[in-house]
Amino acid sequence: GIQVEQSPPDLILQEGANSTLRCNFSDSVNNLQWFHQNPWGQLINLFYIPSGTKQNGRLSATTVATERYSLLYISSSQTTDSGVYFCAVGDQGAQKLVFGQGTRLTINP
Amino acid sequence: ETGVTQSPTHLIKTRGQQVTLRCSSQSGHNTVSWYQQALGQGPQFIFQYYREEENGRGNFPPRFSGLQFPNYSSELNVNALELDDSALYLCASSLGLTDTQYFGPGTRLTVL
Repeated sequence: GIQVEQSPPDLILQEGANSTLRCNFSDSVNNLQWFHQNPWGQLINLFYIPSGTKQNGRLSATTVATERYSLLYISSSQTTDSGVYFCAVGDQGAQKLVFGQGTRLTINP
Repeated sequence: ETGVTQSPTHLIKTRGQQVTLRCSSQSGHNTVSWYQQALGQGPQFIFQYYREEENGRGNFPPRFSGLQFPNYSSELNVNALELDDSALYLCASSLGLTDTQYFGPGTRLTVL
């Protein structure tokens, strides 16, 4: 099945810094989503982005489907951005989402 | 428009027991997927229901079973609970099979 790798596994930054999270996947996908998991376990949708670029406030994402990677950018980080960020992809033949292992982001004041 | 809801929030069971978890999909969504998330891991796909029929299953044993009702709400049943079943169980709904999945808050199951 499709493999999803996220990097880095952990990232510690000061408030106000910018960050880039990466997601590599091993095959063509028809669905790619970025999530933020809060401390209570809720997965919050950030982007549905199987290809192209999207922006939402301080967050933006780019997926280059032909090269099988996606990037999540967070600018001017705030402490509330802390948590685990997951990339999940849906492969062509199956309807499930395959998740990466996540990037744990810690923003210190 | 209400989001995806799950019940109960927390649950404690003992090994060998059976458990039923419930999920109400977002209004208008006909597809429900269930995931298991062990501590420190990404969610793992259990199965998906589309218009009351199972539409794909992950690598989980048959003691994990499910159901989707005509109003598109869903249940996850786990029989003969094992200690490794302790996890956060997440339900997601979507408008269609490959559309954006929206997740509920999860049910945290502890098996003693």
